[in-house]
Amino acid sequence: GAVVSQHPSWVICKSGTSVKIECRSLDFQATTMFWYRQFPKQSLMLMATSNEGSKATYEQGVEKDKFLINHASLTLSTLTVTSAHPEDSSFYICSARGPPGQGGGNTIYFGEGSWLTVV
Amino acid sequence: QQQVKQSPQSLIVQKGGISIINCAYENTAFDYFPWYQQFPGKGPALLIAIRPDVSEKKEGRFTISFNKSAKQFSLHIMDSQPGDSATYFCAASIDTTGNQFYFGTGTSLTVIP
Repeated sequence: GAVVSQHPSWVICKSGTSVKIECRSLDFQATTMFWYRQFPKQSLMLMATSNEGSKATYEQGVEKDKFLINHASLTLSTLTVTSAHPEDSSFYICSARGPPGQGGGNTIYFGEGSWLTVV
Repeated sequence: QQQVKQSPQSLIVQKGGISIINCAYENTAFDYFPWYQQFPGKGPALLIAIRPDVSEKKEGRFTISFNKSAKQFSLHIMDSQPGDSATYFCAASIDTTGNQFYFGTGTSLTVIP
């Protein structure tokens, strides 16, 4: 099936610094990718929808200047957490709408997630 | 507002038993209903999905039952195994727009030997 790769799997950064997380669709082109945040034992919270070649669409309450999203190619979207603070520590997951597969043409494939710890 | 409501929050089933997780939705425009399985520290993985033109879909030990009139769908895991212990999320989307998935709150399943 379609594969979405996320890097890094985990990262520790100092408070005030910025960290970039990459999301790649390995064997298909993804014009749309999604970024989620998940707190322990909670559901996925959609942060933004990343569209190739255009500005990302952010969900209400998500600071676009803090969570910078770039979707420069059909296989890569990046999330940059700027001026990170300990409260930004979380599990960040990307997903991409893949080619028709199990269940039909709107299958979403998730990356493995990235653990961010801000110290 | 939670677009998709999921229950129970947690479930404990003995090995060999049937695990049942339920979801309900309000938006009748939803036409794609996937279930995702997530192990700790990993991203969700698509398990099985259904469209509203069928009432049931079975893949191995996993079955989705769909009730369009009640706007409910459920996941049944037959012959539950300890390896099935994970968090399960239902979701719903509008296929034609394909942009946003609405996830349930998740069910933590524990299958005890």
